[in-house]
Amino acid sequence: DADVTQTPRNRITKTGKRIMLECSQTKGHDRMYWYRQDPGLGLRLIYYSFDVKDINKGEISDGYSVSRQAQAKFSLSLESAIPNQTALYFCATSESRGGSNTGELFFGEGSRLTVL
Amino acid sequence: EDQVTQSPEALRLQEGESSSLNCSYTVSGLRGLFWYRQDPGKGPEFLFTLYSAGEEKEKERLKATLTKKESFLHITAPKPEDSATYLCAVLITTSGTYKYIFGTGTRLKVLA
Repeated sequence: DADVTQTPRNRITKTGKRIMLECSQTKGHDRMYWYRQDPGLGLRLIYYSFDVKDINKGEISDGYSVSRQAQAKFSLSLESAIPNQTALYFCATSESRGGSNTGELFFGEGSRLTVL
Repeated sequence: EDQVTQSPEALRLQEGESSSLNCSYTVSGLRGLFWYRQDPGKGPEFLFTLYSAGEEKEKERLKATLTKKESFLHITAPKPEDSATYLCAVLITTSGTYKYIFGTGTRLKVLA
């Protein structure tokens, strides 16, 4: 089983619909992230969370919200989906070491979202 | 502005033809540089972490090196299964927190 699991893997929806992408991890990491990947733009950070009570906006948080339900679960919501939110979404985790963050990110397999 | 640039955007090699991918960065507060491999429709897979200039890491046909301005991913005698997009990322400290900045990747195609 994957260490970082995303559901759904693929989703097609219509403009204005509410969508939730879920992420769960078994790595025991405290830090979790949501990224978006678009061709030619690379990975861009949407939201991140350093622990259950900590939520922070990334560089492209508008139109998105998140919930950290437990250390192992971090979900991303699109309250009212629009076509330019069509993208590949990745959840990632990392480990904090002594309160600092020097480690690599571990990614899920991705959730491909198409908004018509 | 903190920036990571990868070159070339795309690279086609014959099997066995060695080459290098480049990741240049202009950042302050560098904490580490990471290389990932990404197959189509999959999540990036971690390859290497480099923390200081002069450091080198190797794994099978791949070798990563780091200077104060750039990193190279050397691919020796590549095979078709090495075909993938290779991503570079830096971890920096900024405004009291940490931030990963990704390059846009190099798409590698190795022909049999």
